[in-house]
Amino acid sequence: GAVVSQHPSRVICKSGTSVKIECRSLDFQATTMFWYRQFPKQSLMLMATSNEGSKATYEQGVEKDKFLINHASLTLSTLTVTSAHPEDSSFYICSVSTGANIQYFGAGTRLSVL
Amino acid sequence: GQQLNQSPQSMFIQEGEDVSMNCTSSSIFNTWLWYKQDPGEGPVLLIALYKAGELTSNGRLTAQFGITRKDSFLNISASIPSDVGIYFCAGNSGYSTLTFGKGTMLLVSP
Repeated sequence: GAVVSQHPSRVICKSGTSVKIECRSLDFQATTMFWYRQFPKQSLMLMATSNEGSKATYEQGVEKDKFLINHASLTLSTLTVTSAHPEDSSFYICSVSTGANIQYFGAGTRLSVL
Repeated sequence: GQQLNQSPQSMFIQEGEDVSMNCTSSSIFNTWLWYKQDPGEGPVLLIALYKAGELTSNGRLTAQFGITRKDSFLNISASIPSDVGIYFCAGNSGYSTLTFGKGTMLLVSP
């Protein structure tokens, strides 16, 4: 399977600042990556599909200007939470699609906005 | 949209017991996946199923792709404390995205 590295694992920021989360596919060239958000004791909620070299596809209800996604290479996708507020505090997880209908996940990023 | 019903929501068992959890769908899936998530970590793939009726094992874990393609189960035999975590089923209907169940929290008492 694909090895996915997500960084940082944990970030604390002040309200109003922006935070960038990186997702790297270490051993697979990923044309498609995914970004999820997970609230405590809940399942994964898909935020957007990140496509290499093109614009991300956002799920209904996810603000694309709030959650900026860039997938500039086959090994890196980034999620930037702009002007973060306390309600953006959550666990964010990325995944890589290997094309066999399987997704491999990063370790997640715990974002806390003060 | 597609929905997955995963049950049970949680289980508290004794070490050594067998465990069974399942997922049912309102629609057909081409692929069924089972993941385990430890606290503060991302989900880790346990088993992938591609064919209706397929039965696949991974150590003490066994999963089956239902004949109707609308359900799947995961069995864990002889549970151990490190089996503790949240288990998610996920289905793929041919598009790139996955539909996830709500998870089964497993607690194992030594």
